[in-house]
Amino acid sequence: QIQLVQSGSEVQKPGASVKLSCKASGYPFNNFAIHWVRQAPGQRLEWMGWIYTAKGNTKYSEKFQGRITITRDTSASTIYMELSSLISEDTAVYYCARDRLQLSPVPNWFDPWGQGTLVTVSS
Amino acid sequence: DIQMTQSPSTLSASIGDRVTITCRASQSIIAWLAWYQQKPGKPPRLLIYKASSLESGVPSRFSGSGSGTEFTLTISSLQADDFATYHCQQYNTLPYTFGQGTKLEIK
Repeated sequence: QIQLVQSGSEVQKPGASVKLSCKASGYPFNNFAIHWVRQAPGQRLEWMGWIYTAKGNTKYSEKFQGRITITRDTSASTIYMELSSLISEDTAVYYCARDRLQLSPVPNWFDPWGQGTLVTVSS
Repeated sequence: DIQMTQSPSTLSASIGDRVTITCRASQSIIAWLAWYQQKPGKPPRLLIYKASSLESGVPSRFSGSGSGTEFTLTISSLQADDFATYHCQQYNTLPYTFGQGTKLEIK
């Protein structure tokens, strides 16, 4: 079945970087874009960016521009999201989610989602 | 950014009730709206896309409607499994944005 399996929880100090992974299976990896969405405690879901897996093109939310990098390893069917210059407000559960439409150059709605990775930023 | 506002933020209801959750966008998003269900410790699950299209495998008691700036999610007869938090999401304009969530509680 279609699955996105994310890497495990992380604890990082302020100012550090974190690199999360999202391994896809059960479908043609290159045919579907991947989004990253985070959910801080008590906050709404927040879209961070996406990668058009077929070509490696990315688009980021302006809020994270300069701090976020999304990459892919097609041989491993894995997407990575790196967030740098971490602050305490980056403490959140980070989700990867597959774009719903195949080979769409424009992002759409999301399904399915990975199980989430908790990132805690604390000194 | 397009602001998404859900109401109510919390809703208490009983099994068998019909409930409606509203989502308002700060500008027209045509019908580019999705609804998700989320249970504690789990990722969101897609219920509805394009405002009113039911995702495969989702029970028919869930329905969505609306266009422009006002949208609703209706559950026709609440089941025990439906008590969760519901999120709307616009995918008309980047950055895609979500509502603050509506927590559906057992009365």
